Amino acid sequence: DAGITQSPRHKVTETGTPVTLRCHQTENHRYMYWYRQDPGHGLRLIHYSYGVKDTDKGEVSDGYSVSRSKTEDFLLTLESATSSQTSVYFCAISGGTGDTEAFFGQGTRLTVV
Amino acid sequence: QKEVEQNSGPLSVPEGAIASLNCTYSDRGSQSFFWYRQYSGKSPELIMFIYSNGDKEDGRFTAQLNKASQYVSLLIRDSQPSDSATYLCFDGEKLTFGTGTRLTIIP
Repeated sequence: DAGITQSPRHKVTETGTPVTLRCHQTENHRYMYWYRQDPGHGLRLIHYSYGVKDTDKGEVSDGYSVSRSKTEDFLLTLESATSSQTSVYFCAISGGTGDTEAFFGQGTRLTVV
Repeated sequence: QKEVEQNSGPLSVPEGAIASLNCTYSDRGSQSFFWYRQYSGKSPELIMFIYSNGDKEDGRFTAQLNKASQYVSLLIRDSQPSDSATYLCFDGEKLTFGTGTRLTIIP
């Protein structure tokens, strides 16, 4: 299995609180991604990174920020959690884009109450 | 229009038959496509990728790409109950997934 670890795996938080999810890789891959998965919507890209301190927005970036200060870590922050951000969050890594396979972490189930 | 579209199913296929999963995409510039399988409660895992027009075979799986029609498909021959999962089509250039097709193989 690709070396990707997401933490925490499960979290329940209250509306309005900040939440940070962590993705850690041991593969030294350049690209890292955060997706959310919701019934009826599939996996949607939140943000991605193409190197240390290099990030870009995805399809559903509103309400989320990211940081990548080291190659191995990609953090996703919900600045003020809302119930609409209740979802399963997946981190993925790849060595490139286009024709390069992405490997997924085990997912984080986040519930905002 | 979504960039990658799939029939959400569910699709039910008898064991031993051929399962056919389809995907269309909107960006003519997209070159590479991936099929991922996702079991319930698990993370997606790669089955195949394709970036040339035509067919690509790997064991019981065949991916097909038709760039003129902007169409990608995955055929699963000799379907097994362990193939029951959600299948996700992924555009490698747009970093976009389809909504997935839930496949059930009936013993």
